[in-house]
Amino acid sequence: AQSVAQPEDQVNVAEGNPLTVKCTYSVSGNPYLFWYVQYPNRGLQFLLKYITGDNLVKGSYGFEAEFNKSQTSFHLKKPSALVSDSALYFCAVRDGGSQGNLIFGKGTKLSVKP
Amino acid sequence: DAGVIQSPRHEVTEMGQEVTLRCKPISGHNSLFWYRQTMMRGLELLIYFNNNVPIDDSGMPEDRFSAKMPNASFSTLKIQPSEPRDSAVYFCASSLRGSTDTQYFGPGTRLTVL
Repeated sequence: AQSVAQPEDQVNVAEGNPLTVKCTYSVSGNPYLFWYVQYPNRGLQFLLKYITGDNLVKGSYGFEAEFNKSQTSFHLKKPSALVSDSALYFCAVRDGGSQGNLIFGKGTKLSVKP
Repeated sequence: DAGVIQSPRHEVTEMGQEVTLRCKPISGHNSLFWYRQTMMRGLELLIYFNNNVPIDDSGMPEDRFSAKMPNASFSTLKIQPSEPRDSAVYFCASSLRGSTDTQYFGPGTRLTVL
């Protein structure tokens, strides 16, 4: 069975500081990992994904994520947070060895204060 | 492209009434997904179509829910009869091919069942 966990319901960061939104996963095969962002009253928007290759993945809006197989993690990072980054962030995983679907985490609310 | 289009954006109905939600995927996308988002349960996949054929409907809550995709450019999610616990935001998403491809989400339909 596959699962994904976002251990923090909310992350608070001051503008200009680095941010990290955590994600851990569990799959039996190789993972396909995604990050999506949801702004208020909007649908989810794709940020980045890891399928294979370089462990450091760069995505939209200056975000990046690092795939760590030994720690089964795929944390989302940004060197310098903006107030406009405030949103709900979802990590999602699919077991590459199965025909299953994406499983989304519960989401982490990121709040960036000026 | 206009992206994934959903209608209506908001729906308020009374318990027992039939509700139909509509979705137009991005042209050329072969896969379509219906999700439900609530505070308590987060984002749940209800059903997934590939080339207009339902592939996985294990997330459909019960027989009151049904989904169809009569052609590549249109899908419906129907709830009959509706209940207050069905109140949620329902998202439609589409991808080029399957759940490993980036999914593009519509703006959602906020359903309130009184």
